[in-house]
Amino acid sequence: DGGITQSPKYLFRKEGQNVTLSCEQNLNHDAMYWYRQDPGQGLRLIYYSQIVNDFQKGDIAEGYSVSREKKESFPLTVTSAQKNPTAFYLCASSMGTVEAFFGQGTRLTVV
Amino acid sequence: RKEVEQDPGPFNVPEGATVAFNCTYSNSASQSFFWYRQDCRKEPKLLMSVYSSGNEDGRFTAQLNRASQYISLLIRDSKLSDSATYLCVVITYNFNKFYFGSGTKLNVKP
Repeated sequence: DGGITQSPKYLFRKEGQNVTLSCEQNLNHDAMYWYRQDPGQGLRLIYYSQIVNDFQKGDIAEGYSVSREKKESFPLTVTSAQKNPTAFYLCASSMGTVEAFFGQGTRLTVV
Repeated sequence: RKEVEQDPGPFNVPEGATVAFNCTYSNSASQSFFWYRQDCRKEPKLLMSVYSSGNEDGRFTAQLNRASQYISLLIRDSKLSDSATYLCVVITYNFNKFYFGSGTKLNVKP
């Protein structure tokens, strides 16, 4: 089945630690996105990539980094510079502007 | 100013009621519009696209008003299973990004 997979589902991070969230899709989509969602709020764009080896900052990129070495993969690293990383992280992919498909999300908690 | 703004929630309605949500967008160059549904602690899923002529899918009707820069979602004969958060999404072609509203929570009561 085609889809988009995020892992892990739950992640705990210690203060000062970098962590990487995985996002893989087998939909052959060119574009991939990372969003952050805080309780009771909408989705805010962190980074997006329209094509392999290229990506752009979204509205809240500070403290995050990404790579797009393969079409299928768009991992997100939450660095120690991100002061308030506890949130629900959603990865999405799309072919143009038709529809964005989402992974099931990763809940990151700082302990 | 936010790219997309939605009605504040929650909307608490009885089963069988008709409920409408509105969403305004700030960029007149916006070209594509969608409504997504998000269940508690789950990922958003596409409910329906919104076309200039308006479109209907069963109990759901979506409309676009370009002059006033808003889109709407009408749900008729509400079911308990309609309880969720409804997100308005707007895309601007030149930036090719999906902008999400903060969502409107709907609670349908028996």
